[in-house]
Amino acid sequence: AQTVTQSQPEMSVQEAETVTLSCTYDTSESDYYLFWYKQPPSRQMILVIRQEAYKQQNATENRFSVNFQKAAKSFSLKISDSQLGDAAMYFCAYNGTGTASKLTFGTGTRLQVTL
Amino acid sequence: DVKVTQSSRYLVKRTGEKVFLECVQDMDHENMFWYRQDPGLGLRLIYFSYDVKMKEKGDIPEGYSVSREKKERFSLILESASTNQTSMYLCASSSDGLVGEQFFGPGTRLTVL
Repeated sequence: AQTVTQSQPEMSVQEAETVTLSCTYDTSESDYYLFWYKQPPSRQMILVIRQEAYKQQNATENRFSVNFQKAAKSFSLKISDSQLGDAAMYFCAYNGTGTASKLTFGTGTRLQVTL
Repeated sequence: DVKVTQSSRYLVKRTGEKVFLECVQDMDHENMFWYRQDPGLGLRLIYFSYDVKMKEKGDIPEGYSVSREKKERFSLILESASTNQTSMYLCASSSDGLVGEQFFGPGTRLTVL
């Protein structure tokens, strides 16, 4: 079974600075998808960014980018120019092919953004 | 915009009661999911459904059942609620065309006394 590990329960970043959230995963599959989801306080979880394992290029969405290291099974999220609205729980998630979009989530990292 | 709604934001029940949590999505998604979210444990999949009347167990199905009679609606049932089922319950839906992208409801915080 696949596992997803987020080793940082909490992180803090100052406004306008850059922060990196870590995620590692374990799988025997060669083709899969990885995701970062954001859950703001008292608000619905939303997708931040997606990476397909067969693509070598790291995904980017505005201020959010990933560092995908397939051999190391590492998938970190970098948030540049942090804003107060980035404060949230961030979950890393894995989806294997042929699993009806079923996701395996990590335990989450709570990000605080300070002035 | 995809909308996933859940019947209650907060619910308080007593041990032994039968509890129904309802989830409705409005985007004709094939797949629907029920998770529970606990601090330090992340999201754990209880059940999912990939079609009407179809269901599969997730990682922690014990003590729960589900029903999907219509494509847009997915119900989670606690046959006899227990205190260890106090948790946040999240519903999600997804389309086969967008692998892994799930759309979440606001959650139901269930307290079992």
